[in-house]
Amino acid sequence: QVQLVQSGAEVKKPGASVKVSCKASGYTFTTYYIHWVRQAPGQGLEWMGMVSPSDGNTNYAQNFRGRVTMTRDTSTNTVYMDLSSLISEDTAVYYCARELPATCYFDHWGQGTLVTVSS
Amino acid sequence: EIVLTQSPGTLSLSPGERATLSCRASQSVTSNHLVWYQQKPGQAPRLLIYGVSSRATGIPDRFSGSGSGTDFTLTISRLEPEDFAVYYCQQYGSSRYTFGQGTKLEIK
Repeated sequence: QVQLVQSGAEVKKPGASVKVSCKASGYTFTTYYIHWVRQAPGQGLEWMGMVSPSDGNTNYAQNFRGRVTMTRDTSTNTVYMDLSSLISEDTAVYYCARELPATCYFDHWGQGTLVTVSS
Repeated sequence: EIVLTQSPGTLSLSPGERATLSCRASQSVTSNHLVWYQQKPGQAPRLLIYGVSSRATGIPDRFSGSGSGTDFTLTISRLEPEDFAVYYCQQYGSSRYTFGQGTKLEIK
């Protein structure tokens, strides 16, 4: 069955960086885009960007350009999201989710990774 | 960027009742790329409806989606206890994905 398994919770200080992983299984890794969506405590969903596992192409939301990097490792079927210059407002649950190209919806999601930014 | 506005913010209903949730876009949604998700506390969102009205795999037929252009609706025909959750709409356009702010469906 399709699974997206994310790395564990992180606590970071302001100004630091965090790298969250998302390991895919149960399907052909290069067939689906992987997106990152975050959710601040008690808030809604915010799209951050996506990476194409087949060629590494990325598309980042304007709010995160310059601060986020999304990469993939086809040898381990894993996607990474690196967010730098963290501030307290980056405290959120970060989800990875997959999209079959051009369908424009996310049919499977990871379990989420809580990133807490606190001094 | 297209802004999605969901209403109401909170909807209080009883099991067995019909729920109607609204999602309004600031501009026409491209190629009917309008999607609905359900999210329960402590869980990831779950895909319900894609392409305005197509149910995702395993979604009961009491869930239906409709609409076009800028106005979209998610209808739950007869509420079951497990349907009480937060619902989000989402659209794609101009290489961007945006979500509505959510509607909380709570037990009356």
